[in-house]
Amino acid sequence: DSGVTQTPKHLITATGQRVTLRCSPRSGDLSVYWYQQSLDQGLQFLIQYYNGEERAKGNILERFSAQQFPDLHSELNLSSLELGDSALYFCASSAGGANSPLHFGNGTRLTVT
Amino acid sequence: AQKITQTQPGMFVQEKEAVTLDCTYDTSDQSYGLFWYKQPSSGEMIFLIYQGSYDEQNATEGRYSLNFQKARKSANLVISASQLGDSAMYFCAMREPYTGNQFYFGTGTSLTVIP
Repeated sequence: DSGVTQTPKHLITATGQRVTLRCSPRSGDLSVYWYQQSLDQGLQFLIQYYNGEERAKGNILERFSAQQFPDLHSELNLSSLELGDSALYFCASSAGGANSPLHFGNGTRLTVT
Repeated sequence: AQKITQTQPGMFVQEKEAVTLDCTYDTSDQSYGLFWYKQPSSGEMIFLIYQGSYDEQNATEGRYSLNFQKARKSANLVISASQLGDSAMYFCAMREPYTGNQFYFGTGTSLTVIP
């Protein structure tokens, strides 16, 4: 168990809809990262937060947004969903320092129909 | 330039044999961390092993070891005595603390262990 909690595990929705993915980081970790993994693809970095502040943005679409709350949990909002947004979305958290690994949640598998 | 390069899309190994998964990295930082992750077919990402840029000895964790060659900027994962449960996707990653603690991932290597 990585200590990172992601909900829901599975999500099936229709094109054009909006969904919210939730993540609770490991206790004590201030950094939260979101990744997208499409079928048979590698990990695409979306966005990073540190202690409530956005730190870095990757290949995140304008239809997607995220935030980290004062209690350090994070939400990823996906709107105007398209078929191509179907993917496994990971949240990961980390402590500071070069020697701290990313600890991944089990992911949310999003299917857009 | 790619920060992390994994040149082996797929690898096969006989059960109980050792296998090396290649990873090269690109950074101009002196301080960085190198990591390997395993992703079985069930989908979760499992942290396997870490190597720091200042570590002089290769990291080991059970059957996993990291062959760190700093001058060649390579961080290969060695799995000894392969087991059927080792069949999975393996990702190499690097963390650069001085560029905002970004993590860079390779494209992964799919390992299949043959009985």
